[in-house]
Amino acid sequence: SQTIHQWPATLVQPVGSPLSLECTVEGTSNPNLYWYRQAAGRGLQLLFYSVGIGQISSEVPQNLSASRPQDRQFILSSKKLLLSDSGFYLCAWSVLTYNEQFFGPGTRLTVL
Amino acid sequence: KQEVTQIPAALSVPEGENLVLNCSFTDSAIYNLQWFRQDPGKGLTSLLLIQSSQREQTSGRLNASLDKSSGRSTLYIAASQPGDSATYLCAVLEGAQKLVFGQGTRLTINP
Repeated sequence: SQTIHQWPATLVQPVGSPLSLECTVEGTSNPNLYWYRQAAGRGLQLLFYSVGIGQISSEVPQNLSASRPQDRQFILSSKKLLLSDSGFYLCAWSVLTYNEQFFGPGTRLTVL
Repeated sequence: KQEVTQIPAALSVPEGENLVLNCSFTDSAIYNLQWFRQDPGKGLTSLLLIQSSQREQTSGRLNASLDKSSGRSTLYIAASQPGDSATYLCAVLEGAQKLVFGQGTRLTINP
């Protein structure tokens, strides 16, 4: 069966520090991968998606970037965090485009 | 721009009742609709997926319907239990990759 992992589970970082969040999927090949952010009062918003290694599409211009160095690994990064980057970051995967998306356990990021 | 609205924002009912959660969306050009459950501080659990060509899907005590032309979906929960307490989110898939979410309905089932 398929499993999705995210780490760390919780992170507290100062403004201006770098960020790296990691997501890995087990039990499937060539998944579509997604990063969403859930911010207080703003709901869930798609940030990036990837349909293959090295292929990244950005949905919202922002302070963040994403990379996919391996088939089942998706990384969310920032060079300098802003207060507004605080939120709950969720990684998701799907087998194919148009298909059901499955979410990971999330990373709670607090920027102080 | 697609907008998804969920009503009510919060709902509290006694155990054993049947209940309906509502979801509406502004643009009927969707590929599918998913209902999720989110427990406090946790990720999303997919409950049901309805493709745009389908009218409803059932899983156990859950039944979801879709009326694409009117931009509405409902999630029916039969014989509610305290373990059903959670936030329920609906999301529509547009542009092949992008899920657009509602704000959710926070459900409390009282023993």
